[in-house]
Amino acid sequence: EAQVTQNPRYLITVTGKKLTVTCSQNMNHEYMSWYRQDPGLGLRQIYYSMNVEVTDKGDVPEGYKVSRKEKRNFPLILESPSPNQTSLYFCASSPRGFESIQYFGAGTRLSVL
Amino acid sequence: RKEVEQDPGPFNVPEGATVAFNCTYSNSASQSFFWYRQDCRKEPKLLMSVYSSGNEDGRFTAQLNRASQYISLLIRDSKLSDSATYLCVGQDSNYQLIWGAGTKLIIKP
Repeated sequence: EAQVTQNPRYLITVTGKKLTVTCSQNMNHEYMSWYRQDPGLGLRQIYYSMNVEVTDKGDVPEGYKVSRKEKRNFPLILESPSPNQTSLYFCASSPRGFESIQYFGAGTRLSVL
Repeated sequence: RKEVEQDPGPFNVPEGATVAFNCTYSNSASQSFFWYRQDCRKEPKLLMSVYSSGNEDGRFTAQLNRASQYISLLIRDSKLSDSATYLCVGQDSNYQLIWGAGTKLIIKP
């Protein structure tokens, strides 16, 4: 089954404790991205990657890191989480880049205390 | 001005009715537009791409009005299962996707 898999689905952590949210897709898509979704706001892009070893900042990259060592994986790293990073996070992949259909993971609900 | 704006709703609509909502965008050079559907606490899923000529998929019709810079979504014969938040997507000046905050639709029996 074609899918984007995020883990964990739920995470509660404390300020300053490094965490990684994993994302993997099995559709051989070149383009992957991370979004956060907050009430009353649209999805905001954190980082995106056009291909292996190519990553770029989105609209809200501060406090986040990503890596793209393999085509299928695109982990999101919070080196020192803060309460303002409490949010719902989605990973997405796309076959033809940012202008085409996005396929989303099920989401990761993060709470930073 | 937000690049993509939607009425947040909620729109409360009786089952069987026709409902329409619009989404305005600010980047006149945008080429790609989409409507996604998002159920509560779940991931967005593509509902329709929006083409210049408009497109229809069953009970759903999407239109693009470039002169007034808005896209619309029309749902006919609404079902209870249509209750969801509908996200409008356009492009910013760098052609990255820009997402509206969503319009919440509640279909009542």
